[in-house]
Amino acid sequence: DIVMTQSPDSLAVSLGERATINCKSSQSVLYSSNNKNYLAWYQQKPGQPPKLLIYWASTRESGVPDRFSGSGSGTDFTLTISSLQAEDVAVYYCQQYYSTHPFGQGTRLEIK
Amino acid sequence: QVQLVQSGAEVKKPGSSVKVSCKASGGTFSSYTISWVRQAPGQGLEWMGRIIPILGIANYAQKFQGRVTITADKSTSTAYMELSSLRSEDTAVYYCARGILDYGGNAPFDPWGQGTLVTVSS
Repeated sequence: DIVMTQSPDSLAVSLGERATINCKSSQSVLYSSNNKNYLAWYQQKPGQPPKLLIYWASTRESGVPDRFSGSGSGTDFTLTISSLQAEDVAVYYCQQYYSTHPFGQGTRLEIK
Repeated sequence: QVQLVQSGAEVKKPGSSVKVSCKASGGTFSSYTISWVRQAPGQGLEWMGRIIPILGIANYAQKFQGRVTITADKSTSTAYMELSSLRSEDTAVYYCARGILDYGGNAPFDPWGQGTLVTVSS
């Protein structure tokens, strides 16, 4: 099974500063037939289900602010929040959906 | 806009089974995958398995093989997740979620149900 590993486990960033979360897959999630990376990012706030932010590694879901961006290919991916807002405090998860659908362990993002 | 509404909280004894439902409304049901994801208290997300209702085919995470059964009733647009041989470690919030691509394409999840707390305690 593919294993997803995120880093760091927790992160404290000042308001208005950049936040970067990394995700590494134990196998490539790039599907050669369509050249798509089967990688998604979710945001989860306390007491709520996860919210889809980004899929195909870099496609922003409708309604997601453009300060959120995704990058990477193959086995290494990054979620970037360009200018942290108070409402971005949450736990962030990556997920591969190439075969089964495992999640990373999560990264807790806080305000410094 | 499709919505997924799950059944209410459950308290179960160790060794018993639980069946959680997930009813879709406001959109197409049969041609999209429905996955089940659980989250133990204070822990991360764990994918359990999925079903494609139009095909009736389910596949499961290796960890849950033999203990979980996911089914779907197209006539009522409802998916079910049954977990057997419950133990205390199965205490968690269980979510259903729909894939964003139809016809069984491997896809991320949106929307999600509101979650169902299952507590396993003697």
